[in-house]
Amino acid sequence: DIVMTQTPLSSPVTLGQPASISCRSSQSLVHSDGNTYLSWLQQRPGQPPRLLIYKISNRFSGVPDRFSGSGAGTDFTLKISGVEAEDVGVYYCMQTTQFPYTFGQGTKLEIK
Amino acid sequence: QVQLQQSGPGLVKPSQTLSLTCAISGDSVSSNSAAWSWIRQSPSRGLEWLGRTHYSSKWYNDYAVSVKSRVTINSDTSKNQFSLQLNSVTPEDTAVYYCARGAYDSGWGIDYWGQGILVTVSS
Repeated sequence: DIVMTQTPLSSPVTLGQPASISCRSSQSLVHSDGNTYLSWLQQRPGQPPRLLIYKISNRFSGVPDRFSGSGAGTDFTLKISGVEAEDVGVYYCMQTTQFPYTFGQGTKLEIK
Repeated sequence: QVQLQQSGPGLVKPSQTLSLTCAISGDSVSSNSAAWSWIRQSPSRGLEWLGRTHYSSKWYNDYAVSVKSRVTINSDTSKNQFSLQLNSVTPEDTAVYYCARGAYDSGWGIDYWGQGILVTVSS
């Protein structure tokens, strides 16, 4: 299985300041079709996860443009340009390149 | 708008079978641009993908190795729904279970989720 490792596990951020979360995979996420199936999800307390970013850097419908994704191969980053109160929650990276699909352990974003 | 509505018992006895159903609206279980997954979440295991069903000229099922000997995902085109069966459950199978959609247009990212059902395995 591909192991997804996120850092940090917890990120206290001041409102309006940027935040960054890293995700590293144990092997390349480049699929044989040339695509890299790395996505980012947000989970607010008491809710199911919500898709933010797919294929490294594509924002899903309705996701604010303060969220951006980057990276390649085995190293990926989610950035929030200016954290808002509604961004509090746990963020997960997920790979759908290879079965079984796997998730990172999650990064808890909280407000200082 | 895609919506996934989950149903099933919240309590299952050890050694019995966990059965959940996910009713789809706004898409088709037999769409060849979508795949239908079951995912669970627990404090000890985090988010764990269990398997998926996908139709592309024929049905394909893929399962996580950790549950492969115990899990079955079926689809029902007449009701536009899919289901999860997990046999021989133990307390370690206690988790919130989600049904979810992966879509070609979302890079096979999991773009829609059911509301989740907490399933407790206990006698």
